[in-house]
Order: sequence, then C-alpha cells, then structure tokens
Amino acid sequence: QSVLTQPPSASGTPGQRVTISCSGSSSNIGSNTVNWYQQLPGTAPKLLIYDNALRPSGVPDRFSGSKSGTSASLAISGLQSEDEADYYCAAWDDSLNGPVVFGGGTRLTVL
Amino acid sequence: QVQLQESGPGLVRPSQTLSLTCSVSGYSISRGTYYWTWVRRHPGKGLEWLGFIFYSGSSYYNPSLKSRLTISVDTSENQFSLRLTSVTAADTAVYYCARVVTTWSYAMDVWGQGTTVTVS
Repeated sequence: QSVLTQPPSASGTPGQRVTISCSGSSSNIGSNTVNWYQQLPGTAPKLLIYDNALRPSGVPDRFSGSKSGTSASLAISGLQSEDEADYYCAAWDDSLNGPVVFGGGTRLTVL
Repeated sequence: QVQLQESGPGLVRPSQTLSLTCSVSGYSISRGTYYWTWVRRHPGKGLEWLGFIFYSGSSYYNPSLKSRLTISVDTSENQFSLRLTSVTAADTAVYYCARVVTTWSYAMDVWGQGTTVTVS
C-alpha cells in the first residue's frame, strides 16, 4: 500500500481534459511540494511536473499540476493517444515513511 | 547531455546479494549539486524509491529496505552502486538509476533505461 493514494485508472477520449488526483497527509503533501512522472510502456519514467506546478524544459503546457492542502492533481488537456501511460506522484515525507514516497500510479487509457 | 546506464546481473539466486552499478556520463558526480538515486518497479506494480547518495557519501534509504540496502559512490569511476542483501522473489523488479535535483523538490530529472533483475 502506497503512502500517496492515486486512482488506479483513468481514461479519456482524444481532445478531452483529464485529471489525476494524489492524496497524502500532513507529513508529505501537506508540508512539501509534489512531483509528477510519466512512464510510457516499456520505458523509464520521465519527470513531468516538479514543485507542484512547474514543467521541465520540453514538457508540453498541456500538462499542468496543482496542490491544495494534502492533495495534488495532474491535469492533461487536449488528450492525445501518446499520453497513454502510467502516471505517478511523489513527494518528500517528513515521517518514518520517507524521505521520498511515490503514489501507487494511475494507468491512463486514451479511448 | 547527461546519461545514466545501469549494469549488473539479470538473474540472482534467492538469499544472495544483488549488486548494480549506474555509470554516469556527461556530468562529473564529484561536482556535487545533485543527489543520485535508485528506484525500482515490481512487475505489475508501481514505482518504489530505494535510496539516494551524494558525492560525499551522504545517503538516505527507504526505511523498509534500510537493513539490506547499501548505496555507494565512486567518484573516480563516475558511478554509483546499489547492493541489496538476502534477496527474495519480492526483489524481482526493473531497477532504475536517476539524478536528483535537490532544488526541484528532489525531483528525478534524468533516468537510466532500467535493468531487469529476476530473483530465482
């Protein structure tokens, strides 16, 4: 069982906007920032969002992140078939769980 | 361009020790600035952070693995390594090494391609 909770699956049609949630606690998301990773099938994870809402160079602005309290969200707008992947949130954790914890991952399917 | 490459045996016997190395090119670990980390993904499951290390040797470990895990760094070879003792089938996974940007909330911005390890 992961320290950060994500829905196991999400889906959308091309062009749609999809949101993936990540729920934590006061020791992780509540007091630290969140990073998001995308893992395409058969490839290594890729950093998508850092510091809750910032995008590394090269990541399309279709991807956006936000945080409120002990929860965070990743939004993907203008959904494309190549967005079909596993998405993970991660955060620093100040408790005995840490220091780094991942969510269980969300498999995004583009219908 | 910074690149990371994992290497090590693909098959390890139960109760033995798993050793993996991550070779870094395009950046000298001894320059500091970044931490270096190991992450794994079990078959059909999510990512699990294992631990990270600084060029000085300062390290942090996942509490659930701390008794079996050692991460070390060799700045002369520009590589860092993972050593996991007393492995079981539960340690079967794809193992990734990555670079950690401390000023980006410890985000992992460059990853190796991963290496599959089977314990059997």
